[in-house]
Amino acid sequence: GEDVEQSLFLSVREGDSSVINCTYTDSSSTYLYWYKQEPGAGLQLLTYIFSNMDMKQDQRLTVLLNKKDKHLSLRIADTQTGDSAIYFCAEIPNAGNMLTFGGGTRLMVKP
Amino acid sequence: EPEVTQTPSHQVTQMGQEVILRCVPISNHLYFYWYRQILGQKVEFLVSFYNNEISEKSEIFDDQFSVERPDGSNFTLKIRSTKLEDSAMYFCASRQWGTSTNYGYTFGSGTRLTVV
Repeated sequence: GEDVEQSLFLSVREGDSSVINCTYTDSSSTYLYWYKQEPGAGLQLLTYIFSNMDMKQDQRLTVLLNKKDKHLSLRIADTQTGDSAIYFCAEIPNAGNMLTFGGGTRLMVKP
Repeated sequence: EPEVTQTPSHQVTQMGQEVILRCVPISNHLYFYWYRQILGQKVEFLVSFYNNEISEKSEIFDDQFSVERPDGSNFTLKIRSTKLEDSAMYFCASRQWGTSTNYGYTFGSGTRLTVV
């Protein structure tokens, strides 16, 4: 079945860039997403990318997709303490309508 | 901005008891979902619901689980006889169909279910 993998933890200093990586196995993925989960809160959609795109930029967020390597990354520029959260990569396959999530990367931003 | 609302935010129940988790999806959405996240584990798909019936379900969604849309606004998940391993955060989500390029999932804030 489909699998989505992420590293568990990332620590950066405030003002630095953060890069969170994700790999997936389903080559039929149509949309890939980044969700943010703050403590005690739900899953907030941050951004998404369609599988025929290589890059998408949205203010401080840049998503890069390497479809050949099935690698997705999220870059957060000028990381702030408010960006501390768990970030989930997720994908929807071509044939289905349910999201498959990675395990989440906990981003810690130090002042 | 429209929200998916889930109640209660936290539910504690005794093993073997029935629980009903409630969700109010966004009003013009057509697809409804339940996902769960056991502490420290991945967010897992449970079930999707469209046109008043289950459209997909995972292996987790066994006979102990059921979903219902009892009226035009609520979407519920029932666990008939809870087990300790049902302790998790349960997320409801809804979306429109194909009206936007991102498939428009919106998640609720979740219900934390603790089975003791």
